[in-house]
Amino acid sequence: SQKIEQNSEALNIQEGKTATLTCNYTNYSPAYLQWYRQDPGRGPVFLLLIRENEKEKRKERLKVTFDTTLKQSLFHITASQPADSATYLCALEDMRFGAGTRLTVKP
Amino acid sequence: DTAVSQTPKYLVTQMGNDKSIKCEQNLGHDTMYWYKQDSKKFLKIMFSYNNKELIINETVPNRFSPKSPDKAHLNLHINSLELGDSAVYFCASNQIAGGRELFFGEGSRLTVL
Repeated sequence: SQKIEQNSEALNIQEGKTATLTCNYTNYSPAYLQWYRQDPGRGPVFLLLIRENEKEKRKERLKVTFDTTLKQSLFHITASQPADSATYLCALEDMRFGAGTRLTVKP
Repeated sequence: DTAVSQTPKYLVTQMGNDKSIKCEQNLGHDTMYWYKQDSKKFLKIMFSYNNKELIINETVPNRFSPKSPDKAHLNLHINSLELGDSAVYFCASNQIAGGRELFFGEGSRLTVL
């Protein structure tokens, strides 16, 4: 069965640096992949969707890449801010989620 | 105007009781979902309905029964509650064709004592 993994449970970085989060999947060839943000006590909020024929997608300080050969998506936040601190989740097109990476941006 | 709303937000109950959580979406979406997020924060899909038809039915105990009276509503009924059912349950919706981004409710925190 397909598996989706976010191999960092937690990531701590300094304000202003670029955060890079990884999402890997196996036994699956998704037509697209999504990234969500979840703040404590709230439901996840959609950030970006990237399709299999797109190498890269950008939205403000966010950038997502999708490598179907490596079966991997990378999620970047440039010029990170403390307000970016949250849990970030990736999801395959069947709406199954990875375990999430908790990002903490320190001032 | 809340897009996906769940009630109740908090639910505390005794083991063995039966309880329901209701979900409504006003986005005109054709698909609705239930997710369970346990203490380890893993968001696990439980059920999905498309136009009132069950399309995803994960391996969950049959004490959990979803009901979709119409496209805008998906309720979750849980019989004979157990301690391990304690979690936050999220409802979500999307449109299968198109962007497919999920819109989540704020969650219903169930505590079984």
